[in-house]
Amino acid sequence: KQEVTQIPAALSVPEGENLVLNCSFTDSAIYNLQWFRQDPGKGLTSLLLIQSSQREQTSGRLNASLDKSSGRSTLYIAASQPGDSATYLCAYNTNAGKSTFGDGTTLTVKP
Amino acid sequence: NAGVTQTPKFRVLKTGQSMTLLCAQDMNHEYMYWYRQDPGMGLRLIHYSVGEGTTAKGEVPDGYNVSRLKKQNFLLGLESAAPSQTSVYFCASKRDRVSRDYGYTFGSGTRLTVV
Repeated sequence: KQEVTQIPAALSVPEGENLVLNCSFTDSAIYNLQWFRQDPGKGLTSLLLIQSSQREQTSGRLNASLDKSSGRSTLYIAASQPGDSATYLCAYNTNAGKSTFGDGTTLTVKP
Repeated sequence: NAGVTQTPKFRVLKTGQSMTLLCAQDMNHEYMYWYRQDPGMGLRLIHYSVGEGTTAKGEVPDGYNVSRLKKQNFLLGLESAAPSQTSVYFCASKRDRVSRDYGYTFGSGTRLTVV
């Protein structure tokens, strides 16, 4: 049962473009939501963590938003660079401590 | 800080063989997790631990055992490996259950192939 959906599954953009990655979830008991980056053959690196009481978090060129009512989170990447090429996963954590991960969006930024 | 360290990074097993994957964290985190990652199925929780000496089953525990004898270490064992256990295994830790200000820290993974 898929409780987290990330669309699109893959995305290719030219360097310099701004882009948005989407994460949809069905559990309303969300406590926080975490965005990760995964490079090929590597582990998951945490990018941003948004608490359920927050609307957004920013780190450098990254901005993550959270809308509990619609069950959506977005990761905005400004002025994309080839080094941003990776798979981006979202995971939400419930009040009970349960975590569910999406399958990720694989991003390719072309020079 | 090293964070979360997994050993080995790669391993090939024959069906029926056993092995242990080691996870070590130096952040004094209470919670530790073992996940497997397979194409199209995302990350699935195998077992987890809420503190030294404790273990609990996750979503896909069959065929695996775990132990947490020391707070900093979490071991994942395969007693009789099967081809269905071919996967990438990730260890992760969290400071506490819901970690209001902290999320997961992941290791770099162990790529296991069972032939």
